Amino acid sequence: SAVISQKPSRDICQRGTSLTIQCQVDSQVTMMFWYRQQPGQSLTLIATANQGSEATYESGFVIDKFPISRPNLTFSTLTVSNMSPEDSSIYLCSVAATRSRGNTEAFFGQGTRLTVV
Amino acid sequence: AQSVSQHNHHVILSEAASLELGCNYSYGGTVNLFWYVQYPGQHLQLLLKYFSGDPLVKGIKGFEAEFIKSKFSFNLRKPSVQWSDTAEYFCAVRLSGGYNKLIFGAGTRLAVHP
Repeated sequence: SAVISQKPSRDICQRGTSLTIQCQVDSQVTMMFWYRQQPGQSLTLIATANQGSEATYESGFVIDKFPISRPNLTFSTLTVSNMSPEDSSIYLCSVAATRSRGNTEAFFGQGTRLTVV
Repeated sequence: AQSVSQHNHHVILSEAASLELGCNYSYGGTVNLFWYVQYPGQHLQLLLKYFSGDPLVKGIKGFEAEFIKSKFSFNLRKPSVQWSDTAEYFCAVRLSGGYNKLIFGAGTRLAVHP
């Protein structure tokens, strides 16, 4: 399994500011994922971050709003830029780790609960 | 577009009652299927998974799920729930093609009363 640490666990931010969320994994992983869980809704993938290349964003998410860094195989950051109250969500980091027989499972961090006021 | 539907958004049960949470997905190809659980204040944890083989899979804490390909379903079951099962449950699908993106259902919030 993979142990994922996210920081901060929660924050309250002013609109118009930016917040950078950090994700640290205890093992080297190729792919890291950033999800958003808006209040009362399911998890939605924001982007996939591979080390050494630009992140791949899902429909509805853009790099200017959610820039991602992936400097090495154990670390990634997601920045929520120019925040508005609509960005209030839980942001989760996830990694895919391959277990025996080639089956791959996803592991999640504890999430960052962001409130924008 | 591919999607995952969870039929029950909020379920309330008494201890010892049986549980079944529905999950259907829309995708015609090969899928891997997962149920995740999120206990209050904790992070998502894998409850059980289906990759191939026996369509009836058993997970932790007495949970099981059955993959019915013809119905595009992966319902979660537990014969007798406990108060400690109070949590939110998410069904997720990973599509074939080697891409590890998960598509999640909306989640079902389960409350078990003693």
